[in-house]
Amino acid sequence: NAGVMQNPRHLVRRRGQEARLRCSPMKGHSHVYWYRQLPEEGLKFMVYLQKENIIDESGMPKERFSAEFPKEGPSILRIQQVVRGDSAAYFCASSPGPFGAYEQYFGPGTRLTVT
Amino acid sequence: AQTVTQSQPEMSVQEAETVTLSCTYDTSENNYYLFWYKQPPSRQMILVIRQEAYKQQNATENRFSVNFQKAAKSFSLKISDSQLGDTAMYFCAFKNTNAGKSTFGDGTTLTVKP
Repeated sequence: NAGVMQNPRHLVRRRGQEARLRCSPMKGHSHVYWYRQLPEEGLKFMVYLQKENIIDESGMPKERFSAEFPKEGPSILRIQQVVRGDSAAYFCASSPGPFGAYEQYFGPGTRLTVT
Repeated sequence: AQTVTQSQPEMSVQEAETVTLSCTYDTSENNYYLFWYKQPPSRQMILVIRQEAYKQQNATENRFSVNFQKAAKSFSLKISDSQLGDTAMYFCAFKNTNAGKSTFGDGTTLTVKP
């Protein structure tokens, strides 16, 4: 059973460009979570999605960031007009069910560098 | 809102010795889960151990064990017989039973010395 896959692993964007980060959850998992890790810090929750629904976006910046998890295909985290402060590692996690004791399985992360 | 505090930014231990990493958290919830994750230089997040708040017995996974003190809101990780491969950043995390997201501490960088 393949784990959580994220691509690309490394992404370089110039200021003002758009960044698209993809996450394919583990087989059978319909719940996806996005976290951001700034250098020397822990992971900060951004958004929790179920297929075609945003369940909790309390950690998402109000502007330039959006996320989706369509019925078919991977979850996408989209950052418009990137700035240097967006440089970070972005982790996706998936779980088989909502809430409770379901463990979150993490992908390898996408390291975004904004130049 | 829940908060997780790891007060030791860096620690080191000699190979084969025992080390304890500290974690405290703040919550008004009664039902929740606590986790320790390991992040080696590859940056992959690896679950080390987890504890259900309703269980009084401390969780154990091979060389890893926790000391869970619910009243004190403390959740420390003990690594016995430390190995060079244990060198990594360790994160403590909290997850409310009724919420999907996890809240992470800022991590402790552990170095195991030969």
